[in-house]
Amino acid sequence: SQQGEEDPQALSIQEGENATMNCSYKTSINNLQWYRQNSGRGLVHLILIRSNEREKHSGRLRVTLDTSKKSSSLLITASRAADTASYFCATDARRDDKIIFGKGTRLHILP
Amino acid sequence: IAGITQAPTSQILAAGRRMTLRCTQDMRHNAMYWYRQDLGLGLRLIHYSNTAGTTGKGEVPDGYSVSRANTDDFPLTLASAVPSQTSVYFCASSPGTSGRASYNEQFFGPGTRLTVL
Repeated sequence: SQQGEEDPQALSIQEGENATMNCSYKTSINNLQWYRQNSGRGLVHLILIRSNEREKHSGRLRVTLDTSKKSSSLLITASRAADTASYFCATDARRDDKIIFGKGTRLHILP
Repeated sequence: IAGITQAPTSQILAAGRRMTLRCTQDMRHNAMYWYRQDLGLGLRLIHYSNTAGTTGKGEVPDGYSVSRANTDDFPLTLASAVPSQTSVYFCASSPGTSGRASYNEQFFGPGTRLTVL
């Protein structure tokens, strides 16, 4: 099935550095979403970018979308300890309403 | 109630038993979803409902059934539980206007941790 795949699977950086995670998908999409999951909790929506958008900002988050390469990136600037979490991209296919989540990137911010 | 709730929080179940996981939202969202999350596999969609009275199959529907009698509730039933159904189950909802549920963000419940022995 069509699915987003995050890269890398795990990432450790020093507090204050920027963190970049990537997502690749297989088929044409309507939109792409990024979610965060803290350990043992449900997912929380971060940002949605539509297929006709190339970049979107929300606070310290910047998301880009390249539909020609079928890829997206999530940048977290000036990382904080509270950013330690798993991050998932979620994509839909133009044919149906189902959203498919990737396997996630585990981000660990080192003090 | 504020948002989306799930019950129970956790459950240990003997194989072969029937189990219903409950999910309720008070946001009047049209669309609701059930996912299971397993280590190394991310979230996989089990069943979904775009609006009350309709349901659809996700990636891994076998062994599970759902119903959507009203807008607020979306129970997930395991008719005869098996150990491979040990997982964390998340319910989610989204506004889903005009039948295009995928255009909206999803709101997740806190999850149910299910262990089948």
